[in-house]
Amino acid sequence: DAMVIQNPRYQVTQFGKPVTLSCSQTLNHNVMYWYQQKSSQAPKLLFHYYDKDFNNEADTPDNFQSRRPNTSFCFLDIRSPGLGDAAMYLCATSYQGFGETQYFGPGTRLLVL
Amino acid sequence: AQTVTQSQPEMSVQEAETVTLSCTYDTSESDYYLFWYKQPPSRQMILVIRQEAYKQQNATENRFSVNFQKAAKSFSLKISDSQLGDAAMYFCAYRKDSNYQLIWGAGTKLIIKP
Repeated sequence: DAMVIQNPRYQVTQFGKPVTLSCSQTLNHNVMYWYQQKSSQAPKLLFHYYDKDFNNEADTPDNFQSRRPNTSFCFLDIRSPGLGDAAMYLCATSYQGFGETQYFGPGTRLLVL
Repeated sequence: AQTVTQSQPEMSVQEAETVTLSCTYDTSESDYYLFWYKQPPSRQMILVIRQEAYKQQNATENRFSVNFQKAAKSFSLKISDSQLGDAAMYFCAYRKDSNYQLIWGAGTKLIIKP
């Protein structure tokens, strides 16, 4: 089945130690998104890629970076994680048009010690 | 700015009964899309139903249907014959026609009583 895959499902890192979360998709969608979701809250969009074009949300901290080496893969890098960055990180994809549905991966839960 | 409001932080329903989750939104746009997403305790966000604003007909997906009232800017979700597997957080989301960003409501936690 076509899907959005996130690895790892759980990630523990130390305060200030860089961490990378990965997302891959077999849907062949050209738009990929990264969201941060804290407990019992709605997801918050960090950035998205339309093909190779990177779009950063205005309030996304500089601590968060992203890479998309090809259509299938997208990475979220947190350069110096703080305690406030502990959250669920969701990857989503959609196909082209603005109104297209976003399909989500299972998420990576990040714990910062 | 567009906003989405879900006024019910939590709802409960007896198994096999019907429940309606409310969602209102504020926009000056005429073309947009509305979504209901479900997020069970496993945390994967799953699309329940989608509605295009230009369509008069309410969307339905099996036991899930919406009551879309464009003039009133209301988009409620009705779940018929509730099942234990319907227990989840339900998010209403809005997306305007010219933007990739989803505007999310705060969510409604749905509890199913056996």
